[in-house]
Amino acid sequence: GAGVSQSPSNKVTEKGKDVELRCDPISGHTALYWYRQSLGQGLEFLIYFQGNSAPDKSGLPSDRFSAERTGGSVSTLTIQRTQQEDSAVYLCASSLAPTGGQQFFGPGTRLTVL
Amino acid sequence: AQSVTQLDSQVPVFEEAPVELRCNYSSSVSVYLFWYVQYPNQGLQLLLKYLSGSTLVESINGFEAEFNKSQTSFHLRKPSVHISDTAEYFCAVTRVGGYNKLIFGAGTRLAVHP
Repeated sequence: GAGVSQSPSNKVTEKGKDVELRCDPISGHTALYWYRQSLGQGLEFLIYFQGNSAPDKSGLPSDRFSAERTGGSVSTLTIQRTQQEDSAVYLCASSLAPTGGQQFFGPGTRLTVL
Repeated sequence: AQSVTQLDSQVPVFEEAPVELRCNYSSSVSVYLFWYVQYPNQGLQLLLKYLSGSTLVESINGFEAEFNKSQTSFHLRKPSVHISDTAEYFCAVTRVGGYNKLIFGAGTRLAVHP
C-alpha cells in the first residue's frame, strides 16, 4: 500500500468495553506516532515509536491506554474500560526520519463510546 | 515545552479573495514549523513546512507561509482562494534536534463562499 492505513475506520462501543485500533505504517518508515483528535482537546500527541527504542508514552492520557508496535511495523493502540470522554478520532502517522521528516497520516479511526 | 496558537477558529471568505490564517508559537528552543490541511472527510495532509533556509515557503497549490522568528509567527497566506480550499488548517511545531512529535494549534476552519 502507498499510504498509512488504519482499521477499523469506525468503532462504536459501550462504556467499559476494551477496544483495539490498528495502524499499518508506510513500509520502511521507522517512526510511528499516534494522535487523538477530539472536539474539546484538538489534536493531541499520544505515543511515539522509533525503531527498537523505548517508546515515548508521555502523551497517553491514562493507564487505560497502551500501545505496542510489533516487528517495527504494525502498531496497535488499546483502550481498556472505555469512557465516553475517549470518543475521538485516533490518527496514526509514520515518517522515514525521526527529525524534521514529513509525517504521513492515516485516515483515522473514529471511536464512539456510548 | 512548545505551544501553538491559531488566532481564528473560523475564517469565512469569498472566492478569489485573499486570505491569511494566523499562527503564533511559543518555544524556548528552536522549532520546525508546519501547516497541515484536512479536507472534509479526509485525513491530514502536509501543506508546507519550514525547516531552515529561506523564511518564505510555498506549497504547490498557491499557499505560502513566512517564518518570523522575532514575532514567533508562521502565518499562512493565499492571494486568491478557491472553493476547493475549504478545509480545516492546522499549524504545528516540533523541536529542532528532537524527534518530530508535533504540537498542533486548535485549527482554523476556512470556508470559501462563491
